[in-house]
Amino acid sequence: GENVEQHPSTLSVQEGDSAVIKCTYSDSASNYFPWYKQELGKRPQLIIDIRSNVGEKKDQRIAVTLNKTAKHFSLHITETQPEDSAVYFCAATNAGGTSYGKLTFGQGTILTVHP
Amino acid sequence: EAQVTQNPRYLITVTGKKLTVTCSQNMNHEYMSWYRQDPGLGLRQIYYSMNVEVTDKGDVPEGYKVSRKEKRNFPLILESPSPNQTSLYFCASSLRTGEWRIQYFGAGTRLSVL
Repeated sequence: GENVEQHPSTLSVQEGDSAVIKCTYSDSASNYFPWYKQELGKRPQLIIDIRSNVGEKKDQRIAVTLNKTAKHFSLHITETQPEDSAVYFCAATNAGGTSYGKLTFGQGTILTVHP
Repeated sequence: EAQVTQNPRYLITVTGKKLTVTCSQNMNHEYMSWYRQDPGLGLRQIYYSMNVEVTDKGDVPEGYKVSRKEKRNFPLILESPSPNQTSLYFCASSLRTGEWRIQYFGAGTRLSVL
């Protein structure tokens, strides 16, 4: 089955710096890679995702890149703000047709942005 | 209001006492899923369902059962809970067409098995 490794487990940055979180996956059949943000005591929420036919996707201060050959994908947050402090999870799945089924998450990264 | 509702939010029980955590969504979503969250291990999928009467195992199904008799409900059953099932549990749902990418999570159920 799929295995997703996420690094680093904790990341501390100063406000305004960039943050990068990396994930690797094992199953070459995986074709959909979402990222979730979970604030303290809250439920996870989708923040950005990417399909395997795209190399990069950007949404304001966040971007995701995908390297299919190396089987890794990364989340980039620029101009970090204290409200970016949260746990971030990557995930991978083989989204056949219009939906995913089995979804495998990484271990999570605790991001702390210091004012 | 569109939502995924889990009950109970908190539960303390003893080893071997059967329990059910309910999950209900009001968005007519076909896809529903259960996850457990443990420190350092991230979110791990327990079971998922693509539609009524269609369920499949996730990565950690041992010790759990599910059923999907109605589209809106997807209960998680622990027939004989053990301490290693102490965890934070999330139910989630999404469409299978259109904006299927967006999974809506419930607020979570914190379970302690003594």
